[in-house]
Amino acid sequence: DVKVTQSSRYLVKRTGEKVFLECVQDMDHENMFWYRQDPGLGLRLIYFSYDVKMKEKGDIPEGYSVSREKKERFSLILESASTNQTSMYLCASNKAAGRTYNEQFFGPGTRLTVL
Amino acid sequence: GEDVEQSLFLSVREGDSSVINCTYTDSSSTYLYWYKQEPGAGLQLLTYIFSNMDMKQDQRLTVLLNKKDKHLSLRIADTQTGDSAIYFCAESIRLGRLYFGRGTQLTVWP
Repeated sequence: DVKVTQSSRYLVKRTGEKVFLECVQDMDHENMFWYRQDPGLGLRLIYFSYDVKMKEKGDIPEGYSVSREKKERFSLILESASTNQTSMYLCASNKAAGRTYNEQFFGPGTRLTVL
Repeated sequence: GEDVEQSLFLSVREGDSSVINCTYTDSSSTYLYWYKQEPGAGLQLLTYIFSNMDMKQDQRLTVLLNKKDKHLSLRIADTQTGDSAIYFCAESIRLGRLYFGRGTQLTVWP
């Protein structure tokens, strides 16, 4: 059974803290993604990675960074958490593909609250 | 190809059909997807359609694609309370990236 796991389901942090969200996939996928989900705004892409040590900015990268040292693991880092980063964070992965069928598999999400 | 639109809310009675609509902008999209998100969970793929198809049926689900109008719809027959969820349409353009709509919250009343 394919799986994307995220390190925490719920996380509470204080303003200014450095926050790490971890995502691991066991499908040997090349691509990994980080989204945030807010009511009425849908999914917004923060960063994605096509390969180890490679990253590309998504639509809302400000205030975030990422790390991909191993193929199966993609970390999202909030250097100095702020209250407007309170959100649901979703990780996803899929295999490298051109224009073929390429379902993204999602983790269960991390609900982050920044106080 | 980055502007996928869908209405935010839909309410139906149990047993009725639900139709969720979506418009997309990139005519080069090869695959279009419908994802379902239940409360407190991640997204799960519900169904998909290849761009050279007009319709795809899978049990209670029917996907219709109008490429000329760039319009996609998902019909759920005999909607049940367990179908209450957020439904996202998404288009795939390049390099594995998907562009998602904002999601339609489907509420099913008993």
